[in-house]
Amino acid sequence: DQQVKQNSPSLSVQEGRISILNCDYTNSMFDYFLWYKKYPAEGPTFLISISSIKDKNEDGRFTVFLNKSAKHLSLHIVPSQPGDSAVYFCAASNGAGSYQLTFGKGTKLSVIP
Amino acid sequence: EAQVTQNPRYLITVTGKKLTVTCSQNMNHEYMSWYRQDPGLGLRQIYYSMNVEVTDKGDVPEGYKVSRKEKRNFPLILESPSPNQTSLYFCASSPQYTGANVLTFGAGSRLTVL
Repeated sequence: DQQVKQNSPSLSVQEGRISILNCDYTNSMFDYFLWYKKYPAEGPTFLISISSIKDKNEDGRFTVFLNKSAKHLSLHIVPSQPGDSAVYFCAASNGAGSYQLTFGKGTKLSVIP
Repeated sequence: EAQVTQNPRYLITVTGKKLTVTCSQNMNHEYMSWYRQDPGLGLRQIYYSMNVEVTDKGDVPEGYKVSRKEKRNFPLILESPSPNQTSLYFCASSPQYTGANVLTFGAGSRLTVL
């Protein structure tokens, strides 16, 4: 059973517009959520995170929103740049009872110049 | 430079021939982990280690072994590789395991088992 779901395998956005990447989860015990970005031939790199006690976290062009009641989070990139083209992984952890980070399948973002 | 180093980066081998993928980090991190990435399946955890001599299974441990004899090293061992272990493997580490577990990943090791 997939506990972290990224239902859009790919997304194309024009440069300068907003990119919205979505992630749903099923495990209500998850209390921390992270986004990683991956370029081809490289390992994933940490992008931004949010604790379950918050509903928004912002870092420059990147904002993550968390809706606990809907078990949904989203990553907003504004404005999108061609260098943002990458695969984005949503991940979740249950810090209290587990030592694992559970990843979604990823969404490939293409920002068109 | 703070990094996680994996070797080899690319490997083609044959079924049944034992191989080891090495992983080393220079950040004095306690937590280390192995993941595999497959098309349509994302990143799945194979094994993790909370500290020296402390390891545990992740979601897909079958066919793999690990050891953590030193803090910096966490090798992944395939005793008898099979074609279904053809994948892209990532080693990762973090200072400790906390909920905000920001992992530093290696560049990946692409393994093909014929």
